[in-house]
Amino acid sequence: DAGITQSPRHKVTETGTPVTLRCHQTENHRYMYWYRQDPGHGLRLIHYSYGVKDTDKGEVSDGYSVSRSKTEDFLLTLESATSSQTSVYFCAISGAGQYNEQFFGPGTRLTVL
Amino acid sequence: SQQGEEDPQALSIQEGENATMNCSYKTSINNLQWYRQNSGRGLVHLILIRSNEREKHSGRLRVTLDTSKKSSSLLITASRAADTASYFCATAQGGSEKLVFGKGTKLTVNP
Repeated sequence: DAGITQSPRHKVTETGTPVTLRCHQTENHRYMYWYRQDPGHGLRLIHYSYGVKDTDKGEVSDGYSVSRSKTEDFLLTLESATSSQTSVYFCAISGAGQYNEQFFGPGTRLTVL
Repeated sequence: SQQGEEDPQALSIQEGENATMNCSYKTSINNLQWYRQNSGRGLVHLILIRSNEREKHSGRLRVTLDTSKKSSSLLITASRAADTASYFCATAQGGSEKLVFGKGTKLTVNP
């Protein structure tokens, strides 16, 4: 596996609480992505980063924020979690954006009660 | 909104048979990629085909791309039980650093 880890791997939280998911890479790749995967919807992009402090929105960014203060870490924050944010979250990295393959982390299963 | 749509949604075959999955998309692309996802795991890249390519091979995988029909197919020959997984196509559009994934085809290979 590419050097990409996600933490935590599982989390159960209550509605209204803040949640931060972490993605860490050791590949020094420029691009990092956060997706969510839900039955019937496939994989949908939340936010992505094309460099330190450079981020942009994806298809389903409402309710989520991200930060990237160093190359190796990309944080996804749910400011006030809702039940609709119950999902499996995947981080991915890429050396050259669309022109290259993406390597995926193992995923974080988040349940919001 | 989904750019790629895989067909069929689910496919069940016997070991040794070939499996064919299709992907259709809506807008012009720079490249199209196929990924595999085993249950409970992250996606794994299989193959990338550029818009100026028509066919590409990798081991038991054969991918075709027809840009006039905006469609691609993934053929897995001589399938094995270990090929059981979900398969996703993803498209890269011009001027974007993002991939847009389809909803996937769930392949079951019975021993």
